[in-house]
Amino acid sequence: TQLLEQSPQFLSIQEGENLTVYCNSSSVFSSLQWYRQEPGEGPVLLVTVVTGGEVKKLKRLTFQFGDARKDSSLHITAAQPGDTGLYLCAGSSAWGGGADGLTFGKGTHLIIQP
Amino acid sequence: DSGVTQTPKHLITATGQRVTLRCSPRSGDLSVYWYQQSLDQGLQFLIQYYNGEERAKGNILERFSAQQFPDLHSELNLSSLELGDSALYFCASSVGLAGASTDTQYFGPGTRLTVL
Repeated sequence: TQLLEQSPQFLSIQEGENLTVYCNSSSVFSSLQWYRQEPGEGPVLLVTVVTGGEVKKLKRLTFQFGDARKDSSLHITAAQPGDTGLYLCAGSSAWGGGADGLTFGKGTHLIIQP
Repeated sequence: DSGVTQTPKHLITATGQRVTLRCSPRSGDLSVYWYQQSLDQGLQFLIQYYNGEERAKGNILERFSAQQFPDLHSELNLSSLELGDSALYFCASSVGLAGASTDTQYFGPGTRLTVL
């Protein structure tokens, strides 16, 4: 069974601070995705990383895929109250055989206080 | 709006009952996935269908079943419901590219099931 461990589980910081969320596994994934979920809504995809060592930037968000494709991180610079939400990492094991179900971490509940 | 629709949005029922959740994928998407989200387990993959056929199975109980119809909509059937089945049930869809290492899944708004 593949598992994705996310840390921290909860994080409350002040507006303007930086933060990093980690996603770790003992399994190798073909790709890893980060989602953000608002209460009562479905997860919304932020980014997909595919290549080991890949770094992607989305405005103030920086995503990194580990060289061994087992871990990833999400770094937010100058956090804003609008960044508040549940951040989920999800791994895919679709190694050229078509898509399959994603393995999700349990998420990081992020609160940015004004 | 992801383009994935799910009905109903809320469902309240009693233990032992059977319910059906419905999902319409995004236009053009051939794959449909079902996930269960609970407070203690997080988001868990249940089952995937591709163009009407079962493609992959996750942690789906034997009391649960699903199907995908010729028009590509999908239904998740939950029977002999227990209190522990109370959760958010999400449907996601993707294009379903064979041989692709990535295939973005777009999630619907979910159905909140409460079993009393």
